[in-house]
Amino acid sequence: KQEVTQIPAALSVPEGENLVLNCSFTDSAIYNLQWFRQDPGKGLTSLLLIQSSQREQTSGRLNASLDKSSGRSTLYIAASQPGDSATYLCAVVEYGNKLVFGAGTILRVKS
Amino acid sequence: SAVISQKPSRDICQRGTSLTIQCQVDSQVTMMFWYRQQPGQSLTLIATANQGSEATYESGFVIDKFPISRPNLTFSTLTVSNMSPEDSSIYLCSVAGAFFGQGTRLTVV
Repeated sequence: KQEVTQIPAALSVPEGENLVLNCSFTDSAIYNLQWFRQDPGKGLTSLLLIQSSQREQTSGRLNASLDKSSGRSTLYIAASQPGDSATYLCAVVEYGNKLVFGAGTILRVKS
Repeated sequence: SAVISQKPSRDICQRGTSLTIQCQVDSQVTMMFWYRQQPGQSLTLIATANQGSEATYESGFVIDKFPISRPNLTFSTLTVSNMSPEDSSIYLCSVAGAFFGQGTRLTVV
């Protein structure tokens, strides 16, 4: 059974810092890996999707990497802003578009 | 992309009652997914709803407790039956492994 772990559970940084969120998964037989952002009362927003054959994806200040063989992914956020404060969820996409989520990292960026 | 409308956005219910959550997608999709997020925890898949067939439930979830309807390719409902305080959670529908509704925050008292 796939298990997804995210470290750290919570992170508080001053504005402008670069930061890294970590995700690990136990079964490397995945289709894709996604990073989501969850804001209170606003559901989930997909940030980046990495195909299993890819090593990384970039969108603006966000960069996500995937090392399928070691079961790891990282989300790098450059020049963090207070608006980046949210819960970040890593999810492994399995057969049939089923998602297995990690517990999330709660990020607070202080101005 | 897909836009998902989910309602109600929140509700407070008495124990022993049932609540039906609706999910409407702006395009036709084969599979719709229902997730639960218990307080302080991450999302867990409840079931996969296919149009024209019975929903497929994940381990720990049963049809009697969480009956699902899927009458067409753009709509699904999840009912939380005979509720107890342990059912207090956020319930979300999803399509295509990437798009989520706003969620329904359920509190059972």
